[in-house]
Amino acid sequence: DIVMTQSPDSLAVSLGERATINCKSSQSVLYSSNNNNYLAWYQQKPGQPPKLLIYWASFRESGVPDRFSGSGSGTDFTLTISSLQAEDVAVYYCQQYYRTPLTFGQGTKVEIK
Amino acid sequence: EVQLVQSGAGMKKPGESLKISCKGSGYSFANYWIAWVRQMPGKGLEWMGIIYPGDSDTRYSPSFQGQVTISADKSINTAYLQWSSLKASDTATYYCARGLFEMAGDFWGQGTLVTVS
Repeated sequence: DIVMTQSPDSLAVSLGERATINCKSSQSVLYSSNNNNYLAWYQQKPGQPPKLLIYWASFRESGVPDRFSGSGSGTDFTLTISSLQAEDVAVYYCQQYYRTPLTFGQGTKVEIK
Repeated sequence: EVQLVQSGAGMKKPGESLKISCKGSGYSFANYWIAWVRQMPGKGLEWMGIIYPGDSDTRYSPSFQGQVTISADKSINTAYLQWSSLKASDTATYYCARGLFEMAGDFWGQGTLVTVS
């Protein structure tokens, strides 16, 4: 299985400041034939299902605020919230869909400092 | 509007059977993979398996192979997850999601809480 490791496990950021979450995969999720990274980011708030934020590592899902951005390639990826808002408090997961079984990172809890 | 609506919460005893459902609307149900994802209390997300309703092609995570059965009825736009003999360790919230096979999961059901006690 491809192991997804996120860091940190939790972080506290002041309102309006930048939050950065890292995700590392145990093997590359870049498919060379189409040059796509099979990597997504989700946001999950308490009592709610996950919500897709980013797919193909850097494409923002429709309706997602542009303060959310994804970057990286191969095995190392980053989710950045450029200016943290109160409604961004949640757990964030990365996930590879390169190979079955699809696997998620352990989650990163984002709170307000 | 794309929607996935799951069946309600259930409380069962160990050894009992259970089948939960996920009904899709607002898109061509037969032409998109539907995945099931487990979230145990206070824990992360685990991909259990996936089905293509158009031809019932089904794939399982090795961790869940033989433990659950995934099925679908494209005539009523519904996917299912079932257990033949529940254990206490099956207590979790189960989500269905569109995609999650060669694509990200873009729409998710609201979740079904299964409690086995």
